[in-house]
Amino acid sequence: SYDLTQPLSVSVALGQTARISCGGNNIVGKNVHWYQQMPGQAPVLVIYRDTFRPSGIPERFSGSNSGNTATLTISTAQVGDEADYYCQVRDSSTWVFGGGTKLTVL
Amino acid sequence: EVQLVESGGGLVQPGGSLRLSCAASGFTFSTYSMNWVRQAPGKGLEWVSYISSGSGPIYYADSLKGRFTISRDDAKNSLYLQMNSLRAEDTAVYYCARRGWGLNNWYFDIWGRGTLVTVSS
Repeated sequence: SYDLTQPLSVSVALGQTARISCGGNNIVGKNVHWYQQMPGQAPVLVIYRDTFRPSGIPERFSGSNSGNTATLTISTAQVGDEADYYCQVRDSSTWVFGGGTKLTVL
Repeated sequence: EVQLVESGGGLVQPGGSLRLSCAASGFTFSTYSMNWVRQAPGKGLEWVSYISSGSGPIYYADSLKGRFTISRDDAKNSLYLQMNSLRAEDTAVYYCARRGWGLNNWYFDIWGRGTLVTVSS
Protein backbone atom coordinates (compact mmCIF):
# COMPACT_ATOMS: atom_id res chain seq x y z
CA SER A 1 0.00 0.00 0.00
CA TYR A 2 1.04 3.58 -0.61
CA ASP A 3 1.80 5.77 2.41
CA LEU A 4 1.57 9.55 2.71
CA THR A 5 3.44 11.30 5.52
CA GLN A 6 2.45 14.71 6.86
CA PRO A 7 3.79 16.63 9.87
CA LEU A 8 1.37 16.55 12.78
CA SER A 9 1.45 20.31 13.17
CA VAL A 10 2.70 23.46 11.51
CA SER A 11 2.75 26.91 13.03
CA VAL A 12 2.95 30.20 11.15
CA ALA A 13 2.93 33.83 12.20
CA LEU A 14 -0.03 35.91 11.11
CA GLY A 15 0.55 37.25 7.63
CA GLN A 16 3.46 34.94 6.88
CA THR A 17 3.66 31.91 4.57
CA ALA A 18 2.80 28.42 5.75
CA ARG A 19 4.05 25.32 4.00
CA ILE A 20 2.60 21.88 4.68
CA SER A 21 4.45 18.89 3.27
CA CYS A 22 3.15 15.53 2.11
CA GLY A 23 5.75 12.84 1.58
CA GLY A 24 5.38 9.73 -0.52
CA ASN A 25 7.56 7.45 -2.61
CA ASN A 26 8.03 9.18 -5.99
CA ILE A 27 4.91 11.20 -5.27
CA VAL A 28 5.72 13.38 -8.29
CA GLY A 29 4.29 10.56 -10.38
CA LYS A 30 0.88 10.98 -8.77
CA ASN A 31 -1.73 13.72 -8.73
CA VAL A 32 -1.95 15.15 -5.21
CA HIS A 33 -5.08 16.77 -3.82
CA TRP A 34 -5.47 18.82 -0.65
CA TYR A 35 -8.40 19.32 1.73
CA GLN A 36 -9.05 21.79 4.51
CA GLN A 37 -11.14 20.68 7.46
CA MET A 38 -12.38 23.15 10.05
CA PRO A 39 -13.33 21.76 13.48
CA GLY A 40 -16.65 19.95 13.36
CA GLN A 41 -17.06 20.46 9.62
CA ALA A 42 -16.70 18.40 6.48
CA PRO A 43 -13.49 18.60 4.44
CA VAL A 44 -13.27 21.11 1.61
CA LEU A 45 -11.14 20.65 -1.50
CA VAL A 46 -8.58 23.46 -1.73
CA ILE A 47 -6.09 22.14 -4.31
CA TYR A 48 -6.52 19.40 -6.92
CA ARG A 49 -4.11 17.76 -9.34
CA ASP A 50 -1.09 19.25 -7.57
CA THR A 51 -1.62 22.91 -8.44
CA PHE A 52 -5.22 23.73 -9.38
CA ARG A 53 -7.58 25.73 -7.18
CA PRO A 54 -11.33 25.08 -7.22
CA SER A 55 -13.51 28.10 -7.73
CA GLY A 56 -13.96 30.07 -4.53
CA ILE A 57 -10.60 29.11 -3.04
CA PRO A 58 -8.38 32.17 -2.48
CA GLU A 59 -5.26 32.62 -4.57
CA ARG A 60 -3.29 32.50 -1.30
CA PHE A 61 -3.59 28.72 -1.54
CA SER A 62 -1.18 27.02 -3.93
CA GLY A 63 0.37 23.60 -4.41
CA SER A 64 3.46 21.99 -5.83
CA ASN A 65 4.77 18.47 -6.33
CA SER A 66 8.32 17.35 -6.86
CA GLY A 67 10.37 14.24 -6.18
CA ASN A 68 9.08 12.62 -3.00
CA THR A 69 7.28 15.64 -1.56
CA ALA A 70 4.16 17.59 -2.39
CA THR A 71 3.59 20.92 -0.67
CA LEU A 72 0.57 23.03 0.14
CA THR A 73 1.51 26.70 0.51
CA ILE A 74 -0.70 29.25 2.20
CA SER A 75 0.57 32.78 1.76
CA THR A 76 -0.39 35.70 4.00
CA ALA A 77 -1.80 33.28 6.57
CA GLN A 78 -4.93 34.38 8.39
CA VAL A 79 -6.54 33.24 11.61
CA GLY A 80 -9.34 31.83 9.50
CA ASP A 81 -6.87 29.42 7.88
CA GLU A 82 -6.44 27.51 11.14
CA ALA A 83 -7.63 24.00 10.32
CA ASP A 84 -6.54 20.46 9.64
CA TYR A 85 -5.13 19.88 6.17
CA TYR A 86 -5.01 16.51 4.41
CA CYS A 87 -3.23 15.43 1.26
CA GLN A 88 -4.68 12.62 -0.85
CA VAL A 89 -3.71 10.51 -3.84
CA ARG A 90 -5.18 7.65 -5.78
CA ASP A 91 -3.09 4.47 -5.70
CA SER A 92 -4.31 1.74 -8.05
CA SER A 93 -7.91 1.10 -6.97
CA THR A 94 -7.68 2.76 -3.58
CA TRP A 95 -7.63 6.32 -2.31
CA VAL A 96 -5.07 7.27 0.31
CA PHE A 97 -5.04 10.19 2.72
CA GLY A 98 -2.13 11.59 4.66
CA GLY A 99 -2.48 11.64 8.42
CA GLY A 100 -3.33 15.32 8.47
CA THR A 101 -1.58 18.48 9.62
CA LYS A 102 -2.96 20.94 12.13
CA LEU A 103 -2.16 24.49 11.09
CA THR A 104 -1.87 27.08 13.85
CA VAL A 105 -1.66 30.79 13.05
CA LEU A 106 0.16 32.66 15.80
CA GLU B 1 -27.15 24.21 -4.96
CA VAL B 2 -25.03 21.08 -5.15
CA GLN B 3 -25.62 19.12 -1.97
CA LEU B 4 -25.06 15.75 -0.34
CA VAL B 5 -26.96 14.82 2.80
CA GLU B 6 -26.15 11.67 4.75
CA SER B 7 -28.51 9.87 7.10
CA GLY B 8 -28.88 6.57 8.87
CA GLY B 9 -26.18 6.84 11.50
CA GLY B 10 -26.71 6.00 15.13
CA LEU B 11 -25.80 3.71 17.98
CA VAL B 12 -25.46 0.02 17.15
CA GLN B 13 -24.16 -2.93 19.14
CA PRO B 14 -21.01 -4.80 18.09
CA GLY B 15 -21.89 -7.38 15.47
CA GLY B 16 -24.91 -5.39 14.35
CA SER B 17 -25.77 -3.83 11.00
CA LEU B 18 -26.58 -0.37 9.75
CA ARG B 19 -27.46 1.12 6.38
CA LEU B 20 -26.32 4.63 5.57
CA SER B 21 -27.92 6.77 2.89
CA CYS B 22 -26.73 9.83 1.01
CA ALA B 23 -29.22 12.02 -0.84
CA ALA B 24 -27.79 14.03 -3.72
CA SER B 25 -29.24 17.18 -5.22
CA GLY B 26 -28.25 20.02 -7.51
CA PHE B 27 -26.37 17.90 -10.05
CA THR B 28 -26.90 14.95 -12.38
CA PHE B 29 -26.19 12.21 -9.86
CA SER B 30 -26.19 9.35 -12.37
CA THR B 31 -23.16 10.75 -14.21
CA TYR B 32 -20.88 10.97 -11.18
CA SER B 33 -18.87 8.36 -9.34
CA MET B 34 -19.32 8.44 -5.58
CA ASN B 35 -17.43 7.51 -2.43
CA TRP B 36 -17.75 6.94 1.28
CA VAL B 37 -15.02 8.34 3.53
CA ARG B 38 -14.94 7.99 7.31
CA GLN B 39 -13.27 9.73 10.21
CA ALA B 40 -12.92 8.16 13.63
CA PRO B 41 -13.20 10.56 16.58
CA GLY B 42 -10.07 12.70 16.77
CA LYS B 43 -8.47 10.85 13.85
CA GLY B 44 -7.78 11.47 10.18
CA LEU B 45 -9.72 10.73 7.04
CA GLU B 46 -10.00 7.15 5.76
CA TRP B 47 -11.40 6.23 2.36
CA VAL B 48 -13.99 3.43 2.61
CA SER B 49 -15.52 2.65 -0.76
CA TYR B 50 -16.03 3.84 -4.36
CA ILE B 51 -18.78 3.18 -6.87
CA SER B 52 -18.52 4.26 -10.47
CA SER B 53 -21.26 5.86 -12.47
CA GLY B 54 -23.24 3.51 -14.69
CA SER B 55 -22.24 -0.13 -14.42
CA GLY B 56 -18.63 0.58 -13.66
CA PRO B 57 -16.32 -0.81 -10.97
CA ILE B 58 -16.75 -0.89 -7.21
CA TYR B 59 -13.81 -0.74 -4.81
CA TYR B 60 -13.38 -1.15 -1.06
CA ALA B 61 -10.65 -0.45 1.45
CA ASP B 62 -8.81 -3.68 2.29
CA SER B 63 -9.45 -3.12 6.01
CA LEU B 64 -13.18 -3.70 5.58
CA LYS B 65 -12.73 -7.39 4.75
CA GLY B 66 -16.00 -7.69 2.88
CA ARG B 67 -18.25 -6.40 5.68
CA PHE B 68 -19.46 -3.29 3.83
CA THR B 69 -21.41 -3.02 0.57
CA ILE B 70 -21.78 0.18 -1.46
CA SER B 71 -24.68 0.69 -3.85
CA ARG B 72 -26.58 3.44 -5.60
CA ASP B 73 -30.07 4.14 -6.94
CA ASP B 74 -29.81 6.72 -9.70
CA ALA B 75 -33.61 6.99 -9.95
CA LYS B 76 -33.64 8.18 -6.34
CA ASN B 77 -30.40 10.18 -6.56
CA SER B 78 -29.11 8.19 -3.63
CA LEU B 79 -25.97 6.43 -2.48
CA TYR B 80 -25.95 3.72 0.18
CA LEU B 81 -23.54 1.90 2.46
CA GLN B 82 -24.64 -1.36 4.03
CA MET B 83 -22.45 -2.10 7.04
CA ASN B 84 -22.51 -5.56 8.63
CA SER B 85 -20.62 -7.22 11.49
CA LEU B 86 -19.85 -3.82 12.93
CA ARG B 87 -16.94 -3.40 15.33
CA ALA B 88 -15.96 -0.72 17.81
CA GLU B 89 -13.26 0.45 15.39
CA ASP B 90 -15.95 1.28 12.82
CA THR B 91 -17.10 4.13 15.07
CA ALA B 92 -16.70 7.25 12.94
CA VAL B 93 -18.37 10.04 11.08
CA TYR B 94 -19.18 8.70 7.61
CA TYR B 95 -19.04 11.18 4.75
CA CYS B 96 -20.51 10.83 1.30
CA ALA B 97 -18.19 12.43 -1.27
CA ARG B 98 -18.51 13.05 -4.98
CA ARG B 99 -15.61 12.24 -7.26
CA GLY B 100 -14.48 15.08 -9.50
CA TRP B 101 -15.71 15.10 -13.08
CA GLY B 102 -13.36 13.91 -15.79
CA LEU B 103 -11.00 11.11 -16.67
CA ASN B 104 -8.14 11.86 -14.28
CA ASN B 105 -9.97 13.74 -11.57
CA TRP B 106 -9.57 11.25 -8.71
CA TYR B 107 -10.40 13.69 -5.95
CA PHE B 108 -13.50 14.47 -3.91
CA ASP B 109 -14.98 17.81 -4.90
CA ILE B 110 -18.23 17.78 -2.92
CA TRP B 111 -18.73 16.37 0.58
CA GLY B 112 -21.76 15.89 2.76
CA ARG B 113 -21.81 16.94 6.41
CA GLY B 114 -21.50 13.36 7.58
CA THR B 115 -23.44 10.99 9.79
CA LEU B 116 -22.09 9.56 13.03
CA VAL B 117 -21.97 5.81 13.56
CA THR B 118 -21.23 4.62 17.08
CA VAL B 119 -20.60 0.94 17.70
CA SER B 120 -20.87 0.17 21.38
CA SER B 121 -22.64 -2.13 23.79
